[in-house]
Amino acid sequence: KNEVEQSPQNLTAQEGEFITINCSYSVGISALHWLQQHPGGGIVSLFMLSSGKKKHGRLIATINIQEKHSSLHITASHPRDSAVYICAVETSGSRLTFGEGTQLTVNP
Amino acid sequence: SAVISQKPSRDICQRGTSLTIQCQVDSQVTMMFWYRQQPGQSLTLIATANQGSEATYESGFVIDKFPISRPNLTFSTLTVSNMSPEDSSIYLCSVHANSGRYNEQFFGPGTRLTVL
Repeated sequence: KNEVEQSPQNLTAQEGEFITINCSYSVGISALHWLQQHPGGGIVSLFMLSSGKKKHGRLIATINIQEKHSSLHITASHPRDSAVYICAVETSGSRLTFGEGTQLTVNP
Repeated sequence: SAVISQKPSRDICQRGTSLTIQCQVDSQVTMMFWYRQQPGQSLTLIATANQGSEATYESGFVIDKFPISRPNLTFSTLTVSNMSPEDSSIYLCSVHANSGRYNEQFFGPGTRLTVL
């Protein structure tokens, strides 16, 4: 069993839909990161969470430390949101362990 | 924040040769991380490089295969030695820095390596 599991692996949505990507982990963490990877390979940090909820534009991330679960929500999705979304947990020494990623495709 | 550049951006190499990847950061950072992303997979940490000390390698990665240098607080190199087709991957360096919002992980653009 992977230490970090994401679901779904693939997600196709219509423009405007509300999207949720889930992440569960099995280890003790100091923080959880949500990252976005575009087809060219570049990786951008979206959020770092250690508790509660954060919002940035149309993106919302939540974390439940007791349940070891986090969700990334995208409101009013747009084709430019199409990318791979990766959950990563931070453990000792700022090391990251990554989930397999969720490939999101938003169709116009 | 931190802006990271990597060289080369991509390369095609012959089996048995070695390639050195450079990573340059525009600010001083204590730890630099080297990751590998094999085709269709997520990232795997190769090693953590601290300035002035030996790199710390993750399970499954060894110094003879992936020697790392960290001569100062803004630069690191990763060498992929005696390459085989299984080493074909994207190699990324990363740092932990304060973005103004929080301590954030910044990634370089990656080096796409193909071994024939």
